[in-house]
Amino acid sequence: EAGVAQSPRYKIIEKRQSVAFWCNPISGHATLYWYQQILGQGPKLLIQFQNNGVVDDSQLPKDRFSAERLKGVDSTLKIQPAKLEDSAVYLCASSFRQGNTIYFGEGSWLTVV
Amino acid sequence: EDQVTQSPEALRLQEGESSSLNCSYTVSGLRGLFWYRQDPGKGPEFLFTLYSAGEEKEKERLKATLTKKESFLHITAPKPEDSATYLCAVQAASGNTPLVFGKGTRLSVIA
Repeated sequence: EAGVAQSPRYKIIEKRQSVAFWCNPISGHATLYWYQQILGQGPKLLIQFQNNGVVDDSQLPKDRFSAERLKGVDSTLKIQPAKLEDSAVYLCASSFRQGNTIYFGEGSWLTVV
Repeated sequence: EDQVTQSPEALRLQEGESSSLNCSYTVSGLRGLFWYRQDPGKGPEFLFTLYSAGEEKEKERLKATLTKKESFLHITAPKPEDSATYLCAVQAASGNTPLVFGKGTRLSVIA
């Protein structure tokens, strides 16, 4: 069974530029998550989707971050404009439904300079 | 507010030297406690879910246990390939609450 796919794996941008990350969850998984993991910290939830609807985006800095999951499968996370403190790993994860085990992708590493 | 504290932050073991990692938590009703392994440059890899006090789960050299306030990840006779960061997370039973992660324990096993 294919895991959670993410791209790009690595991205270096200058502050105030924009960046977008893509995620394809495990087939059949209705719930999709975006987590931010800063070096030395545990992952922190940014946004959770159930199919194509947002369940929880309370931790998403909405002035600069946006995410969508238009057809209930793939998702994109966008940052515009980026700040230095956005340097982190952005992890996409999915689960069959809410409350089930969450499986993570390899992550997209962002460095803002 | 749900909280997870992991200790120690880092642990260095000789190959074959058994030890335990601790995960202390406070949560308003526990739905599940999760252990993940994270290798450098990789995403977290699911290991175990524990649901109630007294529950134990095993996988190869790893055994996870759960009490009402903490969980332990016991590593028996570790090998260098067990070197990784081990993350603990809890999910509250109320509503649709997200996983809350600890900062992890970095384990190094030296041959």
